[in-house]
Amino acid sequence: EDQVTQSPEALRLQEGESSSLNCSYTVSGLRGLFWYRQDPGKGPEFLFTLYSAGEEKEKERLKATLTKKESFLHITAPKPEDSATYLCAVDNYGQNFVFGPGTRLSVLP
Amino acid sequence: GAVVSQHPSRVICKSGTSVKIECRSLDFQATTMFWYRQFPKQSLMLMATSNEGSKATYEQGVEKDKFLINHASLTLSTLTVTSAHPEDSSFYICSALHSSGANVLTFGAGSRLTVL
Repeated sequence: EDQVTQSPEALRLQEGESSSLNCSYTVSGLRGLFWYRQDPGKGPEFLFTLYSAGEEKEKERLKATLTKKESFLHITAPKPEDSATYLCAVDNYGQNFVFGPGTRLSVLP
Repeated sequence: GAVVSQHPSRVICKSGTSVKIECRSLDFQATTMFWYRQFPKQSLMLMATSNEGSKATYEQGVEKDKFLINHASLTLSTLTVTSAHPEDSSFYICSALHSSGANVLTFGAGSRLTVL
């Protein structure tokens, strides 16, 4: 059965303290890996899509990388406004995407 | 970019009434839309996959007669919670698959349902 896991479950950082979130996947096929950000009471907001191992994408303080078994979301010098839940999802050529449980990030001022 | 509109954002109803939530793709056609339910501090739980012009595919454990899904056009899917009860209170989110070379899943803003 295809599966996506994320770690840590929750992460507290001080403002400016860089870190990484992990998304590990076991799937029969990978068409794309997606990162989303979700704020409380809102729908997930699309951040990145990665398609092949070795690919990297950046947006402001965020950088996503992909290997054959996992993806990392690196957060450089985070700010309090980066606090959110970050969701990872895989398009495994199925009819729907497989989502991980998310990482709740809190950035303290 | 692809935009998905979900309405209403909040709804409060009495027990036993039915509530309809709309999900529209504003600037693209979506043959496939998805409906999720989310409990506090938990991840998305897929309820059903909605395909335009055909019956929805429900996930195991989701009551088809309780959660009616209609996808009558390429830009609109609706979720109707029938005879709602307090245990149906939750955050419901829709998403639409945007196929323009590569699949991208775009989400609505969510609908908070409270059943009194």
